Amino acid sequence: EAGVTQSPRYAVLQEGQAVSFWCDPISGHDTLYWYQQPRDQGPQLLVYFRDEAVIDNSQLPSDRFSAVRPKGTNSTLKIQSAKQGDTATYLCASSLWGNYAEQFFGPGTRLTVL
Amino acid sequence: GQQVQQSPTSLVLQEGENAELQCNFSTSLNSMQWFYQRPGGSLISVFYNPSGTKQSGRLTSTTVIKERRSSLHISSSQITDSGTYLCAMADRGSALGRLHFGAGTQLIVIP
Repeated sequence: EAGVTQSPRYAVLQEGQAVSFWCDPISGHDTLYWYQQPRDQGPQLLVYFRDEAVIDNSQLPSDRFSAVRPKGTNSTLKIQSAKQGDTATYLCASSLWGNYAEQFFGPGTRLTVL
Repeated sequence: GQQVQQSPTSLVLQEGENAELQCNFSTSLNSMQWFYQRPGGSLISVFYNPSGTKQSGRLTSTTVIKERRSSLHISSSQITDSGTYLCAMADRGSALGRLHFGAGTQLIVIP
């Protein structure tokens, strides 16, 4: 069974540039999570979906970050105008709805904003 | 304030030594999980242990809910155990799906 896949694995940007991250969850998992993990810190939840619906995006910096999951499968996280403070690893995870204790994580995208 | 505190921040062991990692919570917890992460790697669930003691090979996790703490014991450490160990909790008041992570313990096992 294929795990959670993410692309790209690395991204390096200048401040003000835009970037998109893509996530393909485990087949059959209806719940998808995006986390931000700054260096030497634990992951912090940004947003999560059940199918195509956003369940909680209260931690998503809405002025520059957006996330969609239009068909309830793959998902894209976009940063419109990156700042140095956005430097972090962005992790995607998936699970079955209600089974948040068994989230499966992808390898992450390491973003560096210069 | 931070809900999940892990200690120590880092730990260096010689191969064969034991390790004790601690996780403390500031709120009542609903579930508790330990993850393992290699540099540049994804998180791998090691234990889902909301209460009591669980063992898997050389790893033992003990969660004491009323004391708001959990520990991960690694016996006879091996070089391949090196990496970051993170604990995460879902508190009773959280929206379904929200895990709160600690900052992690970086474990380095040397020959």
